[in-house]
Amino acid sequence: AQTVTQSQPEMSVQEAETVTLSCTYDTSESDYYLFWYKQPPSRQMILVIRQEAYKQQNATENRFSVNFQKAAKSFSLKISDSQLGDAAMYFCAYSPGSHSNYQLIWGAGTKLIIKP
Amino acid sequence: AAGVIQSPRHLIKEKRETATLKCYPIPRHDTVYWYQQGPGQDPQFLISFYEKMQSDKGSIPDRFSAQQFSDYHSELNMSSLELGDSALYFCASSLAGRGDNEQFFGPGTRLTVL
Repeated sequence: AQTVTQSQPEMSVQEAETVTLSCTYDTSESDYYLFWYKQPPSRQMILVIRQEAYKQQNATENRFSVNFQKAAKSFSLKISDSQLGDAAMYFCAYSPGSHSNYQLIWGAGTKLIIKP
Repeated sequence: AAGVIQSPRHLIKEKRETATLKCYPIPRHDTVYWYQQGPGQDPQFLISFYEKMQSDKGSIPDRFSAQQFSDYHSELNMSSLELGDSALYFCASSLAGRGDNEQFFGPGTRLTVL
């Protein structure tokens, strides 16, 4: 069975600095997708970034980038120039590529605190 | 762009009552998912539908049922409500043909059982 692990329950960073959130996963599949979702206090679930396993290039979305290490089954999220609005719960999620409408497998989440 | 719509946004019920949550997916999306998220927890998958047929089933209690209608909207019916059912219920939708498995989430329905 696939699993997703986020080992950092909480992280804090000074505003304008860089922070990295960790995520590891376990799967026997070779084709899959990985996601980072942000859940602010409003509890709306917002997609931050997506990575396809068959792409070697790390995904980037403005200040957000990932370090995808397929062999190590690691998928970390780097947030540069942290802003107060980045404060939220961040969830790492996995979806197998062989099933186009499969449920997301979630990590336990990391609470990110931004210090002004 | 149109997003996933959920109604109601907030719902308060007494124990043993019933509740119906509604989800309207993004137009042309063919798959709907239901997740339950307790306070401080990650979302737990309940059930999903593809082209109006149940496609996958997770940790959905027998007291709950769901269906997807001809217009692709979905309803989650919850009976004999218990205090532990208090949670945020998300609906998400996706288009199977996109090939990237991205799910788009609604704002959630916050259910409180007293």
